[in-house]
Order: sequence, then C-alpha cells, then structure tokens
Amino acid sequence: RKEVEQDPGPFNVPEGATVAFNCTYSNSASQSFFWYRQDCRKEPKLLMSVYSSGNEDGRFTAQLNRASQYISLLIRDSKLSDSATYLCVVSHFSGNTPLVFGKGTRLSVIA
Amino acid sequence: EPEVTQTPSHQVTQMGQEVILRCVPISNHLYFYWYRQILGQKVEFLVSFYNNEISEKSEIFDDQFSVERPDGSNFTLKIRSTKLEDSAMYFCASCRDSAINEQFFGPGTRLTVL
Repeated sequence: RKEVEQDPGPFNVPEGATVAFNCTYSNSASQSFFWYRQDCRKEPKLLMSVYSSGNEDGRFTAQLNRASQYISLLIRDSKLSDSATYLCVVSHFSGNTPLVFGKGTRLSVIA
Repeated sequence: EPEVTQTPSHQVTQMGQEVILRCVPISNHLYFYWYRQILGQKVEFLVSFYNNEISEKSEIFDDQFSVERPDGSNFTLKIRSTKLEDSAMYFCASCRDSAINEQFFGPGTRLTVL
C-alpha cells in the first residue's frame, strides 16, 4: 500500500469553479501534514500546512481527518494561475523528519 | 523573501563520473535535506542533515552518496560514481523550526547521466 495516495487527475475545471482534492495516508503515526504545489519541472512550493482544526488561506481551505487518515484541499474561485500539480505531503513524526510525498493531483483551470 | 538556491541548474555527466550538487539554504535555517524526483515520479527523500551530521537517510542514499557542509552557507551532495538511474531532479530543502517541519525547496538541479 502506498504511503500517501492521491487521485492523479487531471482535473479540468473552468475559471471560477470550486475544486476539491483528497488524499489518504497509511501511517497512523503521521504528525505533520502539508499541501505543496508543483509547476511543471519546478520545485515543490509550500501552499499550506494542514492543522487538525482545519485552516483557510484566502481561496484555499485544508481539512484533516485523523480518524480516517484523510486530508483534503478545497480551492474556490479557481484562477488560470492555479493550474499545477498539488502534492499531499506528510511527515511521520514531529521534529526534523523527512517529508513523504504523494504523486500529486494535476489541475488544469481553463478559460 | 529569502530562498534556497542551487547550482548548477542542469548537470550532464558521463556514467561513472563524480558530480557535486550545491545548495545554499535559507540563512537562519538549521535543518537541511536532499530529495530527488525522477521524471514522472514522486519526490523521494534522500538525506537529512543537522548540526553537521546526517540525521536520517533513505535506502536510496547508499555509499555512492555523501553530503557535506563545507562552510557556513553551502550544503553539497556528492555522487561518487554516477549511474544511468541517478538521472533525476535533485532538490535541496531547508527548515527553520523542526517542530513545524515546514521545508522550503530550492529550484533543483537536473542531473542527466549519459
């Protein structure tokens, strides 16, 4: 079983649409959770950390369900510039530990 | 805004040659990492480094790999004898606060082994 699983997509949505991505992780000891975005042939860029209480940053909302080992990302009012691959990332312990990446979900926002 | 920088952006080498990939982490960060991404695959952890020593390494990080912080700013990854399968994008990352573990990535070095 893969450690971090994501629907690879692609999700093709019109500008202004709301889109949601889901992710599941297999290690129940995971402590830290993140969404990164990665543009083609570029580095992963931290989009947001995901907290147990859920958190929002502008048009982006992240949720964590520890019981189901499930993380989500909601993007409202999609922009063309949101087109990218969204990476679900966990780390198993708190502190200085490696990040474990999902393979990513590709989003294309269409005019 | 401070950024992680990496050089070179692209390295082409012959199989069996040694390569050194260079990174300058964000200046007030204390935790450093190397990851790699083979084309079309997920990002994979190689090694973490703190207080001038390796904290953790993955199975990928075998005896052909080494890391060094030769001075106060640079962090290097050396591959002693490159193989075709080492062709990948290599990302350096750094982190300021291990409790939060938010890691910031450099732009990467694309390594092509011929």
